[in-house]
Amino acid sequence: EVQLVQSRAEVKKPGESLKIACQTSGYSFTSFWIGWVRQSPGKGLEWMGIIYPADSDTRYSPSFQGQVTISVDKSIKTAYLQWRSLKASDTAIYYCVRHGYCSTSFCYDIDEWGQGTLVTVSS
Amino acid sequence: QSVLTQPPSVSAAPGQMVTIPCSGSSSNIANNYVSWYIQLPGTAPKLLIFEVNKRPSGTPDRFSGSRSGTSATLDITGLQTGDEAEYFCGSWDTSLNTWVFGGGTKLTVL
Repeated sequence: EVQLVQSRAEVKKPGESLKIACQTSGYSFTSFWIGWVRQSPGKGLEWMGIIYPADSDTRYSPSFQGQVTISVDKSIKTAYLQWRSLKASDTAIYYCVRHGYCSTSFCYDIDEWGQGTLVTVSS
Repeated sequence: QSVLTQPPSVSAAPGQMVTIPCSGSSSNIANNYVSWYIQLPGTAPKLLIFEVNKRPSGTPDRFSGSRSGTSATLDITGLQTGDEAEYFCGSWDTSLNTWVFGGGTKLTVL
């Protein structure tokens, strides 16, 4: 059974750094693109970017380029989403997701979702 | 403002059929696969339909997807109270080079 299990909820202050995790199991970690989706009340679902664990090829949505860093640790089949300096507007639920397939120019459907990590940024 | 457009809400009676539309453009729905996701309250979205009209194992055949030009549609027949949820469409956008979603449609089974 494919599983994407995310780290617990976080409460941070503006300006602090954060790294959340998505531990995978039940499939070949290096064979599928894995990414992150943000869900916030005012903006719905937003695709942030993806990474190919085999070679760490990473693609970001222009809206999130430079704002976050996506990485992986192949040895423990885990993907990460990282912020250097959080803002109140980063408050949201973050889902790790798996794409069924991606080429150099497009991706097929998101076929698996993690349970979500609530990130709250407040002074 | 989401790239794909869905009505905020739809409703129908148990046993009836409901259609949820998703409007896009030539850079997404018309030329790329479309998928649909169901999100029950307090849970993560889950894949319901992929590659426009295919059902993953576990999706009842009461759920079906289709596409015509720049629009996609999710049909649900034989509505049950357990179908009350939010439904999202999604597709790749070749102009933006990102995956895009609809704003979501809340289904109420009266």
